[in-house]
Amino acid sequence: RKEVEQDPGPFNVPEGATVAFNCTYSNSASQSFFWYRQDCRKEPKLLMSVYSSGNEDGRFTAQLNRASQYISLLIRDSKLSDSATYLCVVTEGSSGSARQLTFGSGTQLTVLP
Amino acid sequence: DAGITQSPRHKVTETGTPVTLRCHQTENHRYMYWYRQDPGHGLRLIHYSYGVKDTDKGEVSDGYSVSRSKTEDFLLTLESATSSQTSVYFCAISLRASTDTQYFGPGTRLTVL
Repeated sequence: RKEVEQDPGPFNVPEGATVAFNCTYSNSASQSFFWYRQDCRKEPKLLMSVYSSGNEDGRFTAQLNRASQYISLLIRDSKLSDSATYLCVVTEGSSGSARQLTFGSGTQLTVLP
Repeated sequence: DAGITQSPRHKVTETGTPVTLRCHQTENHRYMYWYRQDPGHGLRLIHYSYGVKDTDKGEVSDGYSVSRSKTEDFLLTLESATSSQTSVYFCAISLRASTDTQYFGPGTRLTVL
């Protein structure tokens, strides 16, 4: 079983739609959570961190559910420019060891005109 | 954008040849990482560095070595390239710890024939 699992998609949605992605993680000791965005043939870039209380950045909302061990990303009013692959990232400890960082395989989103 | 460059950006080589990939940063970040990205696997950590001459193995370190003689440069060497090492290689940096935001370089596409 993968430590971090994401639905690979693809999710094809019309402009203006609301779309949500989930990511599940297996280690209950996981402590930090992030969403990264990766455009086709480009490097990943941080989209947002995910906090226990949930957080919002414009059209993007991230939620964490520790009891069920999943994090979610909600995109409202989708734009064509949101088309990308969204990577879920989980860290497993507070010691800062890089070996504790795990990336999901990504969820592909295409926003259609 | 973070000042991270990778060279070369594309390389085609033959099985059994040595290959060195270079990552250069101008941000003076302490931590540097090498990842590989393959379809269906997400980003997987190869090696990382937490300071000059301080390196450690990641999840998929077999067949790879690294060196960091200066803060700004982190080299990844494939001593004897194999076809299974055909991949996209990303370098990343972070400021204080691996749980900090990681900033990625543009990637190197390596093909081993």
